[in-house]
Amino acid sequence: AQKVTQAQTEISVVEKEDVTLDCVYETRDTTYYLFWYKQPPSGELVFLIRRNSFDEQNEISGRYSWNFQKSTSSFNFTITASQVVDSAVYFCALRQNFGNEKLTFGTGTRLTIIP
Amino acid sequence: DTEVTQTPKHLVMGMTNKKSLKCEQHMGHRAMYWYKQKAKKPPELMFVYSYEKLSINESVPSRFSPECPNSSLLNLHLHALQPEDSALYLCASSQELAGVAKNIQYFGAGTRLSVL
Repeated sequence: AQKVTQAQTEISVVEKEDVTLDCVYETRDTTYYLFWYKQPPSGELVFLIRRNSFDEQNEISGRYSWNFQKSTSSFNFTITASQVVDSAVYFCALRQNFGNEKLTFGTGTRLTIIP
Repeated sequence: DTEVTQTPKHLVMGMTNKKSLKCEQHMGHRAMYWYKQKAKKPPELMFVYSYEKLSINESVPSRFSPECPNSSLLNLHLHALQPEDSALYLCASSQELAGVAKNIQYFGAGTRLSVL
């Protein structure tokens, strides 16, 4: 069975601070995909990144960066110099390679950026 | 363009009503999904369509009836709902169900449903 744990239920930081959202996953598969989605108050889930299990390169996109560590089954997300527009619920999700098209979501982390 | 459009944005219905939710995408995606999301919870998968055929039904009650009339359109027909069915209903699409480059799901903004 697959499982995604986002232990941080809510985080509040002051604008311009850096913040890291944690994601720990469990799977028996050797090939899998990890995702991060952002859900602002409007409701739409916005795709941020997908990482394949065989690609452990960290990635940076502007103020966003992701740290994938297979050894600790973690896929953490860091926002640098946070902005008010970053306030949202962030979901980490896991998907098998074949046979199951389901996304297993974590419970989400509500991030509030205080101006 | 990664746009999935859902209508209506808000819907209030009584328990005896029949209503439909609509989802449309013009990205040429062949897999489409319905999710239900309760407040402060992650989305839960309801149905998956692949090439207009129902691929997955996550044991959803029959008062929810999906329909995929063509590759761009996905409907969710609602009948005799219960107040506990009140939730945000999200539609998503992906190029294909599987495949390294094709399994990213893009979501719409959802329909907020209230059942009275």
